[in-house]
Amino acid sequence: GAGVSQSPSNKVTEKGKDVELRCDPISGHTALYWYRQSLGQGLEFLIYFQGNSAPDKSGLPSDRFSAERTGGSVSTLTIQRTQQEDSAVYLCASSGYVGVETQYFGPGTRLLVL
Amino acid sequence: GENVEQHPSTLSVQEGDSAVIKCTYSDSASNYFPWYKQELGKGPQLIIDIRSNVGEKKDQRIAVTLNKTAKHFSLHITETQPEDSAVYFCAAFQGAQKLVFGQGTRLTINP
Repeated sequence: GAGVSQSPSNKVTEKGKDVELRCDPISGHTALYWYRQSLGQGLEFLIYFQGNSAPDKSGLPSDRFSAERTGGSVSTLTIQRTQQEDSAVYLCASSGYVGVETQYFGPGTRLLVL
Repeated sequence: GENVEQHPSTLSVQEGDSAVIKCTYSDSASNYFPWYKQELGKGPQLIIDIRSNVGEKKDQRIAVTLNKTAKHFSLHITETQPEDSAVYFCAAFQGAQKLVFGQGTRLTINP
């Protein structure tokens, strides 16, 4: 069956530009999570959605970061005015619901800000 | 909030030997502990998980143990094979909302 998909797989952008990263969760999964993984580091929680609602935005690093989810499915993570420190792998995961439930990860989007 | 510490950061073992990776957590309310394997250029893949009402779980060559009193849990891989080489992450589920990850262990299996 189809897993979590993310696009683009790689993105190179110039400092100051805006980027949009997309996540398609597993069909039927109501919970969706975004994480960031810097080179050689662990995973840093950014934000989660239950349906289209994002109750916890505390993990977003700055107000340049925002995310939305429409139709309880696809989510977009937007980074405005990118900085070099934003370079990382952005991972999306989904689960059946928010709670003690297995999270399945996508392959990630590798973002490089020049 | 929850804090997860993972050791060692790198581990090298001979093929056929066992590998053990250990994690500690800080929030006694955490009740779900998954382990993920991440290969180069890929997203993390769940390999085994354990819930707080269980002390040990096994799946073929992989096992996880949980000590709630001491707040630590461990991954055990027996009869290691070259394809076990990867980065392994432990995690703890905090507040029924999000996973908090350890820093990862790079496991190398030497033929």
